[in-house]
Amino acid sequence: EAGVTQSPTHLIKTRGQQATLRCSPISGHTSVYWYQQALGLGLQFLLWYDEGEERNRGNFPPRFSGRQFPNYSSELNVNALELEDSALYLCASSGRQGTTEAFFGQGTRLTVV
Amino acid sequence: AQSVTQLGSHVSVSEGALVLLRCNYSSSVPPYLFWYVQYPNQGLQLLLKYTTGATLVKGINGFEAEFKKSETSFHLTKPSAHMSDAAEYFCAVSHTGANSKLTFGKGITLSVRP
Repeated sequence: EAGVTQSPTHLIKTRGQQATLRCSPISGHTSVYWYQQALGLGLQFLLWYDEGEERNRGNFPPRFSGRQFPNYSSELNVNALELEDSALYLCASSGRQGTTEAFFGQGTRLTVV
Repeated sequence: AQSVTQLGSHVSVSEGALVLLRCNYSSSVPPYLFWYVQYPNQGLQLLLKYTTGATLVKGINGFEAEFKKSETSFHLTKPSAHMSDAAEYFCAVSHTGANSKLTFGKGITLSVRP
């Protein structure tokens, strides 16, 4: 059974550009979570989608946004990139309404130059 | 609100020695508790979880953790460290329903000396 897959693995963008990160959850999972892991800042919760709806949002500016598609895959968009957005972005999936544990993908390494 | 405290940022043990990584949590409702491991440049892998029932939880790779409600703790242990255990370890708390997001501690880097 395929795990959580994220693409691309690495992404290099220039300050001010937009970045789009993608996540495919484990088959049967309806919840998708996005986390940012920046150097020295630990794992920060970004967004939670379940059944196509945004359920919760972390303390990030509006230029961080996303959506969940009917097949439960998800997209994270970061507009007006800043140098501080450079981080590993991790996606996780779980069952409906976040039951039990979440399974993580390998992450997308975003570098803003 | 929920939070996790992992004291210290780095633990170093000798191969074959006991591994003890501490985790304390704060939660207004009964929590779900997790330990994840992260190897360099990889995602997080679930080691073990506590939801309900038995408070001593066994996970993969010989790790276990005990939920102690009175101490609000969920410390991770392994009787004998192996070189392959060197990684970063994260404790996390969550709940079901509207607040099901995982809240992580800052993580602890485990080094294993030969």
